[in-house]
Amino acid sequence: QKEVEQNSGPLSVPEGAIASLNCTYSDRGSQSFFWYRQYSGKSPELIMFIYSNGDKEDGRFTAQLNKASQYVSLLIRDSQPSDSATYLCAGTDSWGKLQFGAGTQVVVTP
Amino acid sequence: EAGVAQSPRYKIIEKRQSVAFWCNPISGHATLYWYQQILGQGPKLLIQFQNNGVVDDSQLPKDRFSAERLKGVDSTLKIQPAKLEDSAVYLCASSPTADTQYFGPGTRLTVL
Repeated sequence: QKEVEQNSGPLSVPEGAIASLNCTYSDRGSQSFFWYRQYSGKSPELIMFIYSNGDKEDGRFTAQLNKASQYVSLLIRDSQPSDSATYLCAGTDSWGKLQFGAGTQVVVTP
Repeated sequence: EAGVAQSPRYKIIEKRQSVAFWCNPISGHATLYWYQQILGQGPKLLIQFQNNGVVDDSQLPKDRFSAERLKGVDSTLKIQPAKLEDSAVYLCASSPTADTQYFGPGTRLTVL
């Protein structure tokens, strides 16, 4: 069974601090990785994706990928209460099939 | 650009009844996906279409679930008969390539 693993949380983060979310995957054939944000009762929305080893920055978000360690992370800088949500990590194979983790709940406290 | 449309948004049925969900993808998106998301879990792919052909249905419980995408646009997902464990949110997504997927609002199914 190919799996994507995430800590379920909740991850409590003070407003203005950095939230650090981690994800590991078992399928070495995974090529692309995605972070989705899901507010309660809503559908997932894409935050960013990463294909290559290293860091990728988009605004307050930074994704990090280490294929050798089969590890993906997401950093949220200057966390805001509006960032409170569940963050889903997903890996995809060459057919575009996404394997999702169970998600990490983030709670940003004022 | 209009997003992925789904209907109904909510459905409550009794076990052993049948139910159908409809999805209209973003215009021009060749790939369409149906996911099942049980509370507290990530979405699980049920079926993937490329135009009107099935790419992957390995996790679709074919004894009770069926899906079709006639003319390579709209799609319907059917459950017959429903079981209690089918209670979940059914998400439809579409994508123009094998990369980014855009999700619809989902249909929340409750089976009593």
